[in-house]
Amino acid sequence: GQNIDQPTEMTATEGAIVQINCTYQTSGFNGLFWYQQHAGEAPTFLSYNVLDGLEEKGRFSSFLSRSKGYSYLLLKELQMKDSASYLCAPSDSNYQLIWGAGTKLIIKP
Amino acid sequence: GAVVSQHPSWVICKSGTSVKIECRSLDFQATTMFWYRQFPKQSLMLMATSNEGSKATYEQGVEKDKFLINHASLTLSTLTVTSAHPEDSSFYICSAGGGQGSQPQHFGDGTRLSIL
Repeated sequence: GQNIDQPTEMTATEGAIVQINCTYQTSGFNGLFWYQQHAGEAPTFLSYNVLDGLEEKGRFSSFLSRSKGYSYLLLKELQMKDSASYLCAPSDSNYQLIWGAGTKLIIKP
Repeated sequence: GAVVSQHPSWVICKSGTSVKIECRSLDFQATTMFWYRQFPKQSLMLMATSNEGSKATYEQGVEKDKFLINHASLTLSTLTVTSAHPEDSSFYICSAGGGQGSQPQHFGDGTRLSIL
């Protein structure tokens, strides 16, 4: 079957760094997307990885290891507005995104 | 970045009413759009894939006659919830883009549907 495993909730301090891990199992693989979703809002695209390694985009970076079925999202210099859910969504052999429940990140002052 | 517009943002109506939700891609053509439903604190659930000029592809367990999808142009897809009941109350979100390669799906702002 296909599934995603992310921590349900994480807490971090403003200004700090947090790493959100994701392990996945899919039928085929065509890359992995990370999305941010604030409460009551639609998801917004953050990053995409298809090859192993780290992709950096400002305060956010995303890492992929295809052999391990593992990805992480790294958020630096955390701000209060980063409080949101973070969704790891791999793309399967049909280019369909597989969605888990995401990780709710709580930022404290 | 790509912009997807979804309308209306909020709908409150009586049980038995049919509700139409529109999803537009504003700055690109979308041969494929996706319709999702999300209950509180749960993951996005794909309801159907909307294909321009052809019938939508529904996920298992989603009633085709209940959730009517029309994708009449490359920039517009509509979802009609027919004879809505309280259990249909949810957050409905459309997306466009994606497909093959690195292009992400871009989401509309969602429609919060409340059936009384």
